[in-house]
Amino acid sequence: SQTIHQWPATLVQPVGSPLSLECTVEGTSNPNLYWYRQAAGRGLQLLFYSVGIGQISSEVPQNLSASRPQDRQFILSSKKLLLSDSGFYLCAWELGAGYTFGSGTRLTVV
Amino acid sequence: GESVGLHLPTLSVQEGDNSIINCAYSNSASDYFIWYKQESGKGPQFIIDIRSNMDKRQGQRVTVLLNKTVKHLSLQIAATQPGDSAVYFCAEEEAAGNKLTFGGGTRVLVKP
Repeated sequence: SQTIHQWPATLVQPVGSPLSLECTVEGTSNPNLYWYRQAAGRGLQLLFYSVGIGQISSEVPQNLSASRPQDRQFILSSKKLLLSDSGFYLCAWELGAGYTFGSGTRLTVV
Repeated sequence: GESVGLHLPTLSVQEGDNSIINCAYSNSASDYFIWYKQESGKGPQFIIDIRSNMDKRQGQRVTVLLNKTVKHLSLQIAATQPGDSAVYFCAEEEAAGNKLTFGGGTRVLVKP
C-alpha cells in the first residue's frame, strides 16, 4: 500500500536559519508531489508541485524553494527563514485518484 | 483568479443530527471535487470525491452533491457523531490539471 512520510513533526527555528523539510512516498511510482502551507485557522495554500524528477512548479513567490532529487522524494527548503514562514506544512501525493496528505510539519520561526 | 469558497466558517450541530456543509466554486473548468476532513494538528483526510459527470455520490454516512449549474458543492453527514468534529475542506481540480485548489474550510462542532 502507498504511504507518505513527513518529518520532522514539529520544528522551531530562529529567523535567518536554513530549512529543510523532507517528504517521501512509498508504494507508488512517478506520483505528482505537492507542498502546501496552512496558516493557523486557515485553508491550504499550494506552494510547489512536481510531476517528475527535477520538475518543480512554483505557485506563489516566496522565500522557499523545492527540489525533487528522486522519484519519491520531495524537499522543501529555505536559505534564510522569515517569521512569516511559520505555519503547518503538508506534503501530498497524487496519481490520478485523489490526493493523500502526510501528517504535516508544524514550523515555528522565532 | 479562480477560487473555491465556503458559505459557513463554523457549524454547530447536535449529536445525532445531520450536518450539511456547503461550498461554492468559480472555476467552470473544474471537473473533480474532493471533501477532506482535518483534525487538529493532522493532515487532511480524504472523505469522498465526485467527478463532474455525476451530481451525487454516497459513502458511509456521507453524501456529496454537485450542482454544476450554480457551481455548488455540499457534504452531508448523517447522524453526526463527536468524532466528526473537525475542519472540513472542499477542493477542486481542473480537467487535465495537476493541482488541487482548496476552500477556506468549515469547522464542525458536535454538541453532545
